[in-house]
Amino acid sequence: ILNVEQSPQSLHVQEGDSTNFTCSFPSSNFYALHWYRWETAKSPEALFVMTLNGDEKKKGRISATLNTKEGYSYLYIKGSQPEDSATYLCALGRDKLIFGTGTRLQVFP
Amino acid sequence: ETGVTQSPTHLIKTRGQQVTLRCSSQSGHNTVSWYQQALGQGPQFIFQYYREEENGRGNFPPRFSGLQFPNYSSELNVNALELDDSALYLCASSQISGNYEQYFGPGTRLTVT
Repeated sequence: ILNVEQSPQSLHVQEGDSTNFTCSFPSSNFYALHWYRWETAKSPEALFVMTLNGDEKKKGRISATLNTKEGYSYLYIKGSQPEDSATYLCALGRDKLIFGTGTRLQVFP
Repeated sequence: ETGVTQSPTHLIKTRGQQVTLRCSSQSGHNTVSWYQQALGQGPQFIFQYYREEENGRGNFPPRFSGLQFPNYSSELNVNALELDDSALYLCASSQISGNYEQYFGPGTRLTVT
């Protein structure tokens, strides 16, 4: 059974701080790694789909890297803002996704 | 382009009852996947539908069943509800030959008492 792990479980930062989270996964049979941003009472929002070892993707202040050989991905947020407060989920797979439990980020003004 | 919608938003059922949840996929998408998120866990894959047939299933019993319609919308049916079925149910639509991106609805919160 594949297991996707995320750390930390939760994170509290001040506005303006930069932060990062980790997603760890088995490196065998890798297809794709997904990052989602999920605000309470809203739909999970796709941030990145990463497929190649060494992939780096960026969307505004948020970026992600992927290492398929060692089985991890990092998500970085530069200069956190209160609107970044959400749960960040990573998921492994092509389309039948295996999710981690998420990192809950709270950014205080 | 319209997003993924789900109905109802939330509902309460009694143990032993049956429930049907609905999902309208994003325009242009031909695949719908259903996930269950229990409290404190990440979403777990239930099954996927493509061309109106089940196209893969997670570790869920047969009392979880589904349908996909010609317009690609989908239903999730759960029979003989158990207390542990209380969860948020998410559907996601995608294009099976696309770039792996899945677009999620806001979910249906099911409470079984």
